[in-house]
Amino acid sequence: QKEVEQNSGPLSVPEGAIASLNCTYSDRGSQSFFWYRQYSGKSPELIMSIYSNGDKEDGRFTAQLNKASQYVSLLIRDSQPSDSATYLCAVNNRGSQGNLIFGKGTKLSVKP
Amino acid sequence: EAGVTQFPSHSVIEKGQTVTLRCDPISGHDNLYWYRRVMGKEIKFLLHFVKESKQDESGMPNNRFLAERTGGTYSTLKVQPAELEDSGVYFCASSQTRQGGYTFGSGTRLTVV
Repeated sequence: QKEVEQNSGPLSVPEGAIASLNCTYSDRGSQSFFWYRQYSGKSPELIMSIYSNGDKEDGRFTAQLNKASQYVSLLIRDSQPSDSATYLCAVNNRGSQGNLIFGKGTKLSVKP
Repeated sequence: EAGVTQFPSHSVIEKGQTVTLRCDPISGHDNLYWYRRVMGKEIKFLLHFVKESKQDESGMPNNRFLAERTGGTYSTLKVQPAELEDSGVYFCASSQTRQGGYTFGSGTRLTVV
């Protein structure tokens, strides 16, 4: 059974701090990794994708991938109250045609 | 560009009844995916269409679920007869590629009572 594990949280950080969200996955052969943000009652929104080991930065977001450790993380710098949401880690299902395996998500709360 | 549209947004039905969910993908997106989130669980894959063809339906829970994609445009997901455990949020997503960077619809919350 292929799995993606995330700490469910809630993770609470003060405004302006760095929020660090972590994810591990079980299938060593996975190639594509995604972070989705989901506000309560809304649809998941893709915020980052990463395919190679190392860091990928986009604005205040940095995704980090370590395939040897089967670990993906998302850093949010200068966290804002509007970043408060559930963050979903997703990994491609190797051998499929693009379907994803999701974690349960980490709920982030940014306090003003 | 219009997003992925799903309706209804909510549906409450009795056990044993039939419900049909609809998804309109982003125009030009050949790939259409259905996912489901049962309360307390992670979002799980149901099936994948490429145009009008079912590419992968390995996630469909049983034969009470039937998905179609007429002419490669919109898709429907029918549950017949509905059971209590079918309750959850059903998401549709579409993409131009198969690399996983989907656009999700807002989902249909199905409650079976």
